[in-house]
This record gives sequence, structure tokens and C-alpha cells, in this order.
Amino acid sequence: AQSVAQPEDQVNVAEGNPLTVKCTYSVSGNPYLFWYVQYPNRGLQFLLKYITGDNLVKGSYGFEAEFNKSQTSFHLKKPSALVSDSALYFCAVRDALGSSNTGKLIFGQGTTLQVKP
Amino acid sequence: NAGVTQTPKFQVLKTGQSMTLQCAQDMNHNSMYWYRQDPGMGLRLIYYSASEGTTDKGEVPNGYNVSRLNKREFSLRLESAAPSQTSVYFCASRLPREATAGNEKLFFGSGTQLSVL
Repeated sequence: AQSVAQPEDQVNVAEGNPLTVKCTYSVSGNPYLFWYVQYPNRGLQFLLKYITGDNLVKGSYGFEAEFNKSQTSFHLKKPSALVSDSALYFCAVRDALGSSNTGKLIFGQGTTLQVKP
Repeated sequence: NAGVTQTPKFQVLKTGQSMTLQCAQDMNHNSMYWYRQDPGMGLRLIYYSASEGTTDKGEVPNGYNVSRLNKREFSLRLESAAPSQTSVYFCASRLPREATAGNEKLFFGSGTQLSVL
């Protein structure tokens, strides 16, 4: 079965420091991986995706993610955290089972990022 | 553009009551989805509609029904609400399959917070 895991419920970093939010995946076939962010009382917003190509993917708001096939990981990173980055982050994998592309996503449990001044 | 609009934003039900959550998108998207979000469990797919006139079960469909009324609207109905259905519900939509840019990106509404007493 396809799945993603986010091993940390919460990540705390100081403003200006680099941040990493971890994600590991389990898929059959090529992985289609995504990161979404959810600010309080809002819906999820797309940050970035990995389909094919470069292992380092750049996305919105200065975020990037590194795809590592050997470690089956897709960690979210940012060189310098901002207080405004504090939010709930979700890793997701496309449910590629079956012959049709339904666009269904399987989400991880979510990681709360807290950036302190 | 309004994007994905969900109504209501908040709702309190008694066990056994019924209600319909409404979702509409104005982006001409083909595919629409209903997810529920529970603490520590991420988002789980309830139902989806790959295109107008079709609906399919997701991971947690029990206790729910859906209607794809037209291309814009996708409603979720609870026929007899139970406390286990207390959750935050998100509707999402996606670009047509034939779109070459960002066709994997989901657009989310701002959610409906439902409490069943």
C-alpha cells in the first residue's frame, strides 16, 4: 500500500535558522510527492511537488525539498526560517494504484512547525 | 476568482441529524474531492469525483454520500450523523488531466468544522 510518514509531530526552530521537516514514503512504482502547508483556520495550500528530474525541488515561500530515492525520503527544507512560516505541514503521495490517474493524494499525519523569534 | 468555496464554515449537529456540506469551484476543474482532517491522522479521502457524473469511494466513505450536481458543485451528505464524524471537512479540486502545468496540484477550500454531539 502507498503511504507517507512524518515522524515528527512538531518541529521547533529559531527565526533565521535552517529548518527541516521530515517525510518518508512507501510506494509501488515511481513516486509523485507533494508538500502542502496549512495556516490556522485555512485550507491546505500547495508548496511544491516532485514528479521527475532534479532531486532538489524548489517551491513557494522559499521552501525546497530534497528527493532521496535510496532513503525513500522527501524532506522539506528552508535555509532561513521566518516566524510567519509557523504552520502545519503535510507531505503527500499520489495514489497511483490502478490504471487511471484520479489525482487522489495520500497524506501524512502532519508536522507542526513553530518558529520562534 | 473565489477558488473553492465551502459552506457552512461551522456546524453543530445532534446524533442522528442529517446535513449536507456544500462545495463549489469556479476554476473549471474536472476532479473534486472530499477529505476529513482529524488530529494525528492527517487528511483522509472520503469520496471523490473524477469528472462530472462520476463519483467513487475513498478511504473512509462509510456514513457519507456525495452528489456531483454539475461540474462546479460537489456536495457531501451525512444522513445520520454520529459523534465519530466530528471533524474538519475539506473540499478540493484539481485541474483537468490534460493540463500540462501543475495538473497534480489540489486547490482546497477553507474547511467546515463539524461537531456531532
